[in-house]
Amino acid sequence: KQEVTQIPAALSVPEGENLVLNCSFTDSAIYNLQWFRQDPGKGLTSLLLIQSSQREQTSGRLNASLDKSSGRSTLYIAASQPGDSATYLCAANTGFQKLVFGTGTRLLVSP
Amino acid sequence: GAGVSQSPSNKVTEKGKDVELRCDPISGHTALYWYRQSLGQGLEFLIYFQGNSAPDKSGLPSDRFSAERTGGSVSTLTIQRTQQEDSAVYLCASSRFGGPNMNTEAFFGQGTRLTVV
Repeated sequence: KQEVTQIPAALSVPEGENLVLNCSFTDSAIYNLQWFRQDPGKGLTSLLLIQSSQREQTSGRLNASLDKSSGRSTLYIAASQPGDSATYLCAANTGFQKLVFGTGTRLLVSP
Repeated sequence: GAGVSQSPSNKVTEKGKDVELRCDPISGHTALYWYRQSLGQGLEFLIYFQGNSAPDKSGLPSDRFSAERTGGSVSTLTIQRTQQEDSAVYLCASSRFGGPNMNTEAFFGQGTRLTVV
């Protein structure tokens, strides 16, 4: 059974810092891995999708990497801003679009 | 539509009553999923629809839960005889394609917050 873990559970940083969020999964047989952000009381917003054949994806200040063999993905946020404050979730696609989610990292960026 | 739309956004119901939650996926998306997010818990898969194939119901927690998708578009999640443990945010997502080995992006709605009192 696929299990997805995110570390840290919470992170508080001053504005401008570069930061790394970690996601690990137990079964390397994934089709893709997706990163989402969730604002309080809101749904999920897709940030990046990394296919199993890819090593990384970039969108603006965000860069996500994937190492299937070690069961790890990282989300790198450059020059963090208060607007980045949210909960970040990673999800492993185990097939038939059954996304298995981690419990998230709650990020607070203070001005 | 521009995004996945869910209604109602909030629902308060009395224990024992039935509720229906609606999801309108992105136009043209063949795959639709329901997830549940309970307070302090992660996202839990409930059910998956792909085109005209039989749905994958393996995540439904009990036989009080059912879902249908009419005309390959709108989906309704029904919870019968609601219990307090059913209180959660129910999230719907759609993707352009589904099935294994299809690297497609899932787009989520804003969710329905269900409170059973």
